[in-house]
Amino acid sequence: NAGVMQNPRHLVRRRGQEARLRCSPVKGHSHVYWYRQLPEEGLKFMVYLQKENIIDESGMPKERFSAEFPKEGPSILRIQQVVRGDSAAYFCASSPTEGSPLHFGNGTRLTVT
Amino acid sequence: QKEVEQNSGPLSVPEGAIASLNCTYSDRGSQSFFWYRQYSGKSPELIMSIYSNGDKEDGRFTAQLNKASQYVSLLIRDSQPSDSATYLCAVGKDTGRRALTFGSGTRLQVQP
Repeated sequence: NAGVMQNPRHLVRRRGQEARLRCSPVKGHSHVYWYRQLPEEGLKFMVYLQKENIIDESGMPKERFSAEFPKEGPSILRIQQVVRGDSAAYFCASSPTEGSPLHFGNGTRLTVT
Repeated sequence: QKEVEQNSGPLSVPEGAIASLNCTYSDRGSQSFFWYRQYSGKSPELIMSIYSNGDKEDGRFTAQLNKASQYVSLLIRDSQPSDSATYLCAVGKDTGRRALTFGSGTRLQVQP
């Protein structure tokens, strides 16, 4: 069984460009979560989605960041007009039901130059 | 006050010893508790989950939960150098934010 698949593993963007991070959950999992991790820090919650619905986006900056989980295809985390402070590891996780343990992908390491 | 607090460490123990990792949480409505292990540069992996007061054992790992004290811990018996990693405590609620809230992690170093 394939786990959570994230791509790309590494992404380099110049300031002002857009970053698109993709996440395919474990087959059968309909709950997707995005977390951000800065070096030497814990995981900061960003957004929780179910198919076609954003359930909780309280951890996501109001500007420049958006997320979606369409009926077909992977979940996408989009960061517009990236700044150096967006450099971090972005982890996607999925679960079969709300409240069950999260299964994490390998993350996307975003570097903004 | 942070929602989930952990001592950042590093916690250094000799090989074969018991490592004790602690976590406190602020929301009394928390219902589910998890320990994840994260090696440097890797993704978090689930070690233990616990939902009710008391101890839960799985191999060399024991999770302990005390909801009255809002405290959850992880004991690692017979620590091995391969246990050296950052251990993240995560807490889930039934209401409000329903995604897990993570502590900042405790770095464990097991000295051979």
